Amino acid sequence: AQKVTQAQTEISVVEKEDVTLDCVYETRDTTYYLFWYKQPPSGELVFLIRRNSFDEQNEISGRYSWNFQKSTSSFNFTITASQVVDSAVYFCALSQGDTGANSKLTFGKGITLSVRP
Amino acid sequence: GAGVSQSPSNKVTEKGKDVELRCDPISGHTALYWYRQSLGQGLEFLIYFQGNSAPDKSGLPSDRFSAERTGGSVSTLTIQRTQQEDSAVYLCASSLVVAGAGDTQYFGPGTRLTVL
Repeated sequence: AQKVTQAQTEISVVEKEDVTLDCVYETRDTTYYLFWYKQPPSGELVFLIRRNSFDEQNEISGRYSWNFQKSTSSFNFTITASQVVDSAVYFCALSQGDTGANSKLTFGKGITLSVRP
Repeated sequence: GAGVSQSPSNKVTEKGKDVELRCDPISGHTALYWYRQSLGQGLEFLIYFQGNSAPDKSGLPSDRFSAERTGGSVSTLTIQRTQQEDSAVYLCASSLVVAGAGDTQYFGPGTRLTVL
């Protein structure tokens, strides 16, 4: 069975601080995919990043960066110089790699990030 | 817009009534998923469509829940004899099947269902 754990439930930071959102996953598959989604107050889930299990390169996109470490089964997300607009719920998710075209996602519980001015 | 759309955005119903929730996926996306988001259970997978077929219905919580997809496009999720525990936000997502497993899903805004 697959599982995604986001141990942090709520994080509050002051604008311009850096913040790291943790994600730990469990799977028996050798091929799998990891995702991060953002859910702002409007409610719609916004895709941020997709990573496959064979690509452990860290990724940077503007103020966002992701650190994937298979050795610790973690896929952490860092926001540098946070802004008020980053306030949202962030979900980490996992899909199996051996299910044909079925990419159903197993989600963590989400982390509520509040960025104060 | 070209995103996933869902209707209605909000639905209030009385216990015991049937409801239908609609999803219009992104044009050309052959895979469609329904999820449910509730305070107690978080985000849960309900059902997966590939074209008009539903090879994975493992997440449907009871036989009161059913879904169909027609023309490889629009999908309808039906809940019969609604119960208060069905109150949640129902999210639809679609993906373009490229690599097979692990394709990125794009989500709609959801339908907030309240059962009184």
